Amino acid sequence: EIVLTQSPGTLSLSPGERATLSCRASQSVSSSYLAWYQQKPGQPPRLLIYGASTRATGIPDRFSGSGSGTDFTLTITRLEPEDFGVYYCHLYGSSPLFTFGPGTKVDIK
Amino acid sequence: EVQLVESGGDVVQPGGSLRLSCAASGFSFSTYSMTWVRQAPGKELEWISYIRGRSTDISYADSVKGRFTISRDNAKNSLYLQMNSLRVDDMAVYYCARVGLGYYSMDVWGQGTTVTVSS
Repeated sequence: EIVLTQSPGTLSLSPGERATLSCRASQSVSSSYLAWYQQKPGQPPRLLIYGASTRATGIPDRFSGSGSGTDFTLTITRLEPEDFGVYYCHLYGSSPLFTFGPGTKVDIK
Repeated sequence: EVQLVESGGDVVQPGGSLRLSCAASGFSFSTYSMTWVRQAPGKELEWISYIRGRSTDISYADSVKGRFTISRDNAKNSLYLQMNSLRVDDMAVYYCARVGLGYYSMDVWGQGTTVTVSS
């Protein structure tokens, strides 16, 4: 079973700052199947990044993804107030078939 | 507009059953695999079931295997989740989500339906 670990648990930043979120897999995984989602309170998740680095439709270019093997990163350059929420990494192809990380909460100061 | 709308959430006693539905519109439903994902109050997302477009491949998380059954009716553009032997720890918001082609990310989500398990 592959486990995804996200760090930090919470990130408190001011608008305009850069946010760097980490997702680590317990063993090497295919970057093709690594995705990132944003979830705001009371809303469903929204796909941000798929294939580790490809932005989903309509996602601003301040969001970017990178990484390979066991270490993946979501970067938000120039945080906007609407970027608060919880960010989850997600993997297809392990056991279980789909796995979510525990999430990183981004608080806007 | 691509849209998923869940329904069927309710309050049910432990040991009871419930059937969730997800109505899809705005895309070729039979082309896409679909999933159910749940989120307990204040908790992280948990994938629970997956079904391929022609129902040729079905998978479950261990936490629901043997109790939940996923199905779909492509003629009705609908996805279902039959939930039996419900437990208190099944209480959650249940989302249906479309699985994107090629990358297996969940690219379209419904708003969710709430299942409460309580005596």
